[in-house]
Amino acid sequence: QLQLQESGPGLVKPSETLSLTCTVSGGSISTTDYYWAWVRQPPGRGLEWITNIHYSGRTYYNPSLKSRITVSVQRSENQFSLKMNSVTAADTAVYYCARHHSGVRHAKDAFEIWGQGTMVTVSS
Amino acid sequence: DIQMTQSPSSLSASVGDRVTITCRTSQAIGTALNWYQQKPGKAPKLLIYKASNLYSGVPSRFSGSGSGTDFTLTISSLQPEDFATYCCQQSYSTPLTFGGGTKVEIK
Repeated sequence: QLQLQESGPGLVKPSETLSLTCTVSGGSISTTDYYWAWVRQPPGRGLEWITNIHYSGRTYYNPSLKSRITVSVQRSENQFSLKMNSVTAADTAVYYCARHHSGVRHAKDAFEIWGQGTMVTVSS
Repeated sequence: DIQMTQSPSSLSASVGDRVTITCRTSQAIGTALNWYQQKPGKAPKLLIYKASNLYSGVPSRFSGSGSGTDFTLTISSLQPEDFATYCCQQSYSTPLTFGGGTKVEIK
């Protein structure tokens, strides 16, 4: 059974870089049918999509965040990562990684499997 | 960006009630609409994809309908484990966007 697990610092200082990794277990990240996603949720608020990346490197970004984001796949480690620079308090949120079924015929085009989420607080 | 408007933002219901939640999009998206359930401190769970398809393992009391700009999630007989927040999400175009959520509380 596929599982996703986020990891990274829970506290980041303003203007610094947030770095998170999602480890995929129980299946391969190098699968044609899926993109790997980051979604965040500020405290008490709704979900915000950040990015989708395919193991091939094809990537989609939320334009509102694109200038501050770097996302990559580490195939040998079955992981994918998110870096967000110049963070502010507005970036304080629970960050989820997820598997998005898309890009192929008959895709569900939905976030099927989610990690448990990791809280990141931006504060000095 | 496609804006998602859910209504109501919250509701109170009793076990056994039929519950309907609505999601409206700012432009037509065909059936590219998904529904998720989220409980406090937990990740969202996919319930319905492409407007009306029940995701694997989801109880049949959940159903979805709609196309274009107006969509509905229905719980036919509310169960104790269904008290949660429900949100819609469009997959028609990027940026992928979510509704603000509907919190279903116990009456």
